[in-house]
Formats: sequence, C-alpha cells, structure tokens
Amino acid sequence: DTGVSQDPRHKITKRGQNVTFRCDPISEHNRLYWYRQTLGQGPEFLTYFQNEAQLEKSRLLSDRFSAERPKGSFSTLEIQRTEQGDSAMYLCASSWGDRGPNTEAFFGQGTRLTVV
Amino acid sequence: DAKTTQPPSMDCAEGRAANLPCNHSTISGNEYVYWYRQIHSQGPQYIIHGLKNNETNEMASLIITEDRKSSTLILPHATLRDTAVYYCIVSYGQNFVFGPGTRLSVLP
Repeated sequence: DTGVSQDPRHKITKRGQNVTFRCDPISEHNRLYWYRQTLGQGPEFLTYFQNEAQLEKSRLLSDRFSAERPKGSFSTLEIQRTEQGDSAMYLCASSWGDRGPNTEAFFGQGTRLTVV
Repeated sequence: DAKTTQPPSMDCAEGRAANLPCNHSTISGNEYVYWYRQIHSQGPQYIIHGLKNNETNEMASLIITEDRKSSTLILPHATLRDTAVYYCIVSYGQNFVFGPGTRLSVLP
C-alpha cells in the first residue's frame, strides 16, 4: 500500500459542468476526510466519513457538493454546476479512529480543479 | 475555527535547529497536538503528535508545556528541504482543523 491516492491529479472544466473526484485511502483506515485548499490558505475541512457513514459536513459543503463512501472503502466527491469559485486543490486524507483519538492522518497529493 | 495560533513566518539557518512555537490555550484535556507540514503543491505531511509527554521521532521533537497551553516543534538540523508551511492542530477523534500555519524558510 503506497498511501492515499487521488484521481485525477488535475482537472480543467467549464463553468456549469459537473466533476467527480476519487480518493482511495490507506486500506486499514476507517476514517476518510475531504479538504479544500485555495492559494495561500490552509486546508479547509469539507466532510469526513467513518466507514461508510458521513459523520460531519462543513458549512462550506453547499448543496452542489456531495460525497459518498460506499462500502467504507474509496470515496468520491462530486461538484455539480461548477463555479469559478470552486477552483482549488481538493485534498483527501485517511486515518484510523474509533471512540478514542485519531491516529495521524495521511494526505493524498490532491486534485487541482480549475473552472474556466 | 482553528484552536491554535502560530507566527506567520520564521527563518532558520541551514544546519541549525528550527523551533516552531504554537499556542493552544483552550486545548481540552483529551485533545492531542498534531504537527503537519506542507511543501509547495503537495499534500500535507504528518510530522508528529502528542498528548502531554514530549515526543521524538526521526523527523522532529515535540515539546508540550506542562499546562498544555503551548508546544514547540523542533527540527534539530534544518535543511533546505525543510522549507515549508508548518501547521499545528489540536484534535480528538474528529476532523483536523488547519489554521494558516507558519511559513518556515531555511536559508543557506
């Protein structure tokens, strides 16, 4: 297992189009996170899953955004009707956590989205 | 909102120790302190984490004050490849909230 992988690494789309990103976490990790990062800012939390359950969603996650993690393995993040303000790096991370504290989270290299 | 405050930037001479401070005065009793760094255009990289005891690994040392209201990440012999943005995060069993971090520049 080589870590968290994200696909695609880069995506250019026209405004109004839908896009979908995929994240494959480290296999033994039950928690999966999505973050968004714009230039010069730290990553902003979007949502996280424990196994297949989506436990928390940020206010940043408008109704145009949806994330799924079927079967508690890989996850997808879909953005509908993209806007130029959606241009950002989308980062995925995974960790192990139960009732106790998280283990460290490992991040993928991200998907850079450009909306033109 | 992030529960930590860090200086926006720091410089360090190559080969010297880099000491990056972090204040987390509202930390809860069960929250851990995590440090990550992000090199340009890459995903954040885990460095180290701890609860109350000092921790050391192959990358860095983490010193947490006795009252747990602040911590210091120490890179013992900084190299040019340590130039990055360093994030201090407090968390327990929930998502990781990033602040703006400290931009560390290691100078030759």
